[in-house]
Amino acid sequence: EAQVTQNPRYLITVTGKKLTVTCSQNMNHEYMSWYRQDPGLGLRQIYYSMNVEVTDKGDVPEGYKVSRKEKRNFPLILESPSPNQTSLYFCASSFSSGPYNEQFFGPGTRLTVL
Amino acid sequence: GESVGLHLPTLSVQEGDNSIINCAYSNSASDYFIWYKQESGKGPQFIIDIRSNMDKRQGQRVTVLLNKTVKHLSLQIAATQPGDSAVYFCAENQAGTALIFGKGTTLSVSS
Repeated sequence: EAQVTQNPRYLITVTGKKLTVTCSQNMNHEYMSWYRQDPGLGLRQIYYSMNVEVTDKGDVPEGYKVSRKEKRNFPLILESPSPNQTSLYFCASSFSSGPYNEQFFGPGTRLTVL
Repeated sequence: GESVGLHLPTLSVQEGDNSIINCAYSNSASDYFIWYKQESGKGPQFIIDIRSNMDKRQGQRVTVLLNKTVKHLSLQIAATQPGDSAVYFCAENQAGTALIFGKGTTLSVSS
């Protein structure tokens, strides 16, 4: 089944404890992206990757890191999480980085930073 | 910055009615628009898209209308069903690399 998977689905952590949220897609997509979703603010892009070893900042990159060593994986790293990073996170992928491409979303990761 | 927005945060309809969800966008250079549906506890799911060289596009029970003159996008759902209850987002493509999402309209369908 073609899909985007994220792990973990739920995570409660404490301020300053490094964490990684994994994202994997099995559709051989070039483009991958991370979003956060907050009430009243909609979906905002954190980072995106147009291909292996190519990443770039989205609208809200502060406090996050990403890497794209393999085409299928795009982990999101929080080196020192803070409470304002409590949010619902979505990974997405699409066939290419150009326009006119539907993005497929993962199921989401709900993160709480205490 | 420029962003995509929706006119109403909530919309309540009766089963069988037609639903219309509206969206205003501000960037006249945007050339691709998508509607997503997000059910509770799930990620956004693609419904339908439209390019700026089109005014209308139809899918199964859904129609998207694009009015570039007033920078307005709408999603019409025919014969709305309880399973259509969800949050609906419009998104626009700017610069070919990032989708800019609106804040969403919650559609509630009562039987």
